[in-house]
Amino acid sequence: QQPVQSPQAVILREGEDAVINCSSSKALYSVHWYRQKHGEAPVFLMILLKGGEQKGHDKISASFNEKKQQSSLYLTASQLSYSGTYFCGTEYPTDKLIFGTGTRLQVFP
Amino acid sequence: GAGVSQSPRYKVAKRGQDVALRCDPISGHVSLFWYQQALGQGPEFLTYFQNEAQLDKSGLPSDRFFAERPEGSVSTLKIQRTQQEDSAVYLCASGLKTGNWNEQFFGPGTRLTVL
Repeated sequence: QQPVQSPQAVILREGEDAVINCSSSKALYSVHWYRQKHGEAPVFLMILLKGGEQKGHDKISASFNEKKQQSSLYLTASQLSYSGTYFCGTEYPTDKLIFGTGTRLQVFP
Repeated sequence: GAGVSQSPRYKVAKRGQDVALRCDPISGHVSLFWYQQALGQGPEFLTYFQNEAQLDKSGLPSDRFFAERPEGSVSTLKIQRTQQEDSAVYLCASGLKTGNWNEQFFGPGTRLTVL
């Protein structure tokens, strides 16, 4: 039931772009994206709802394909501060989040 | 305003000891969640409160785990007779469900090490 994320890891230079994907085997109500730095709490980035509404960070965009039960997070012109592990969290009609397998992103100067 | 706070930040327990982990949610947040995060893994759901009502405890791994939120604000996660496999970071998140939005904000976590 855990959503699968791809790729597992990404290495970028500052200014490069990246896409992180999240796939679920179950019908989704919404998808949440978080970034977690080592030893810190997950930080909320975005939430996307069925029907196209989304709410979140100005410099990060995402898509939600309800039919395919997939979401993608788009990181453009990456900065050093983008480094961390990215998790998608899928919300079913119950309010709890089921977190994905994680994608580790490293941005180098 | 203040975010979610958790205490203690670090806890070392001997196998068989009982521990209590505290979560202070953001004021006014109705929802409160507990997650367990093992090293290198994503957070895993343990239990969920709406005000003082525990609506979902399907993620609690055994009957040694117990959570309460008696007045609908502060919550305590108690683990009895701790085992080594209980070693993990325990994250608390509070949420303000407005319409269809159900954002969750995480605290810094309590790192539990069972020796």
